[in-house]
Amino acid sequence: EADIYQTPRYLVIGTGKKITLECSQTMGHDKMYWYQQDPGMELHLIHYSYGVNSTEKGDLSSESTVSRIRTEHFPLTLESARPSHTSQYLCASWGNRGPTTNEKLFFGSGTQLSVL
Amino acid sequence: RKEVEQDPGPFNVPEGATVAFNCTYSNSASQSFFWYRQDCRKEPKLLMSVYSSGNEDGRFTAQLNRASQYISLLIRDSKLSDSATYLCVVNDYKLSFGAGTTVTVRA
Repeated sequence: EADIYQTPRYLVIGTGKKITLECSQTMGHDKMYWYQQDPGMELHLIHYSYGVNSTEKGDLSSESTVSRIRTEHFPLTLESARPSHTSQYLCASWGNRGPTTNEKLFFGSGTQLSVL
Repeated sequence: RKEVEQDPGPFNVPEGATVAFNCTYSNSASQSFFWYRQDCRKEPKLLMSVYSSGNEDGRFTAQLNRASQYISLLIRDSKLSDSATYLCVVNDYKLSFGAGTTVTVRA
């Protein structure tokens, strides 16, 4: 049912590695978001995009970067992973699923990142 | 002050009980409102959109009060499977989230 995909689902990696978390959606949505969430805690917006070549930092300062070269693709990159980056990363897009439906936020299944 | 505030709970209720909680928002120009449900370590899933006239979906009723700037969610005849965190989302042009209200339904 989901039209927004995140890979990998789980990632365990050593300190200092460069990683890219993938997020793609097939709904043609312009607005996309990355959230970070620790267990039992609230979601924090780390990056968002309102369309191709548009990216902005969110409320939570993050050492990650994003790019938006294509509408459907919004990858998040950590140049040098650290244990403090261990968290769940959720990608979302805003829009409708079809011409007769209302706009809403769609989430991917998330990437659980563990940095050792 | 946060843009969206929720009572964090937890609300611990017996099966069959009715539980209700609110979410207040600060931006009076907010356009649309939603309740999402999030299970532990899962992504949030849309429970209900909230319409100005109020709306009902089975055991769930959502209401919007623009004058007082809050939305509410009421769960009737609660089931064990209703145990989750309920997130309030407000479309104030940047999509603001509440911190979530935790509901635990016990047998």
